[in-house]
Amino acid sequence: ILNVEQSPQSLHVQEGDSTNFTCSFPSSNFYALHWYRWETAKSPEALFVMTLNGDEKKKGRISATLNTKEGYSYLYIKGSQPEDSATYLCAFNRHGGATNKLIFGTGTLLAVQP
Amino acid sequence: DAMVIQNPRYQVTQFGKPVTLSCSQTLNHNVMYWYQQKSSQAPKLLFHYYDKDFNNEADTPDNFQSRRPNTSFCFLDIRSPGLGDAAMYLCATSRALGWTGQYYGYTFGSGTRLTVV
Repeated sequence: ILNVEQSPQSLHVQEGDSTNFTCSFPSSNFYALHWYRWETAKSPEALFVMTLNGDEKKKGRISATLNTKEGYSYLYIKGSQPEDSATYLCAFNRHGGATNKLIFGTGTLLAVQP
Repeated sequence: DAMVIQNPRYQVTQFGKPVTLSCSQTLNHNVMYWYQQKSSQAPKLLFHYYDKDFNNEADTPDNFQSRRPNTSFCFLDIRSPGLGDAAMYLCATSRALGWTGQYYGYTFGSGTRLTVV
């Protein structure tokens, strides 16, 4: 059974705080790691797709790193804002097949208080 | 804007009464997926279509079926919903992994929340 673990389950921070979450995944047969942001009543939105060990991606105040050898990825948010409140999902794609099947974690729910 | 649309947003159905959820896309992606997410759990893949080829996950109950009449539409049919089928159902699309190795992420719909009474 392939499991993707995310921690923490939920996080409450004050506006302006920086925060980070962890995603752990199987390190064998790695193909890609995805991060999605899912705001209430909206569609999950792609943040990053990373495929190479050591990848670092950045989008505004949000960045992510990838370690495929030890099987983890970190997502960082610098200076959290209330609009960052959402569930952050990571998903793992194991090598093989053309159809890009993703295995998701349970997500980290972030609440940013003004 | 190109997008993935799911209807309805909320669906209430009676125990045992067949229900159909729909998903449409304007992206012309050749792969479409259905995920089920129960409360506090990870989204779980039920099945996917690669063009017209249907691919069922081994642990997807027989109660769940799917149809893809054309590239744009995909339906999830639950033949006899039970209380345990209450969940958020997410549709997603992507391009197949390319011959050049180019890699694509998912585009999601906003989901259908199913309640079984």
